[in-house]
Amino acid sequence: DAGVTQTPRHEVAEKGQTIILKCEPVSGHNDLFWYRQTKIQGLELLSYFRSKSLMEDGGAFKDRFKAEMLNSSFSTLKIQPTEPKDSAVYLCASSFGTQGRYFGPGTRLTVL
Amino acid sequence: QQQVRQSPQSLTVWEGETAILNCSYENSAFDYFPWYQQFPGEGPALLIAIRSVSDKKEDGGFTIFFNKREKNLSLHIKDSQPGDSATYFCAASEGTNAYKVIFGKGTHLHVLP
Repeated sequence: DAGVTQTPRHEVAEKGQTIILKCEPVSGHNDLFWYRQTKIQGLELLSYFRSKSLMEDGGAFKDRFKAEMLNSSFSTLKIQPTEPKDSAVYLCASSFGTQGRYFGPGTRLTVL
Repeated sequence: QQQVRQSPQSLTVWEGETAILNCSYENSAFDYFPWYQQFPGEGPALLIAIRSVSDKKEDGGFTIFFNKREKNLSLHIKDSQPGDSATYFCAASEGTNAYKVIFGKGTHLHVLP
């Protein structure tokens, strides 16, 4: 079984650019999550989808972060415009029901 | 407000020793506590989990001890190996909001050969 796939693995952006991160969840999983991971803040939930419907849009992250799930096997996270403070690892995870999360390897974003 | 706290931030043990990682929480409604293991360059992976109806859960060399009254739990890694060197995250969620898993900030474990 393929795990969660994330592309690209690394992204370097100039301040003000628009970047799109991609995620393919585990086949059959109906929950999909986007997290941001930094050393200081740890793991922060950005978005949560259940069966493709957006259930949680991350509150403080709403203004420049937009996650979409066009179909059950693909999701994107758009950051527009990027700022240096957005430099972090962005993790996508999927799960089925109340089982544990399956995380992807993450995308390391550096904003200059 | 940090709902799930982990200590120590960093832990170094010798190969063969038992590593003990601690976790405490504030919300008494939390009833599910997974631990995740993360290696550099990878995402976290579910290692072991416990529900609040139990006080102990074992899986291979990993054991969770849970104290509901004190609102704390610990992960014991028996016979630690250098390959166990990783960051370990304690997490918690409540049954009715199971999607809202709250993660601690992690313990960096270094196992020296």
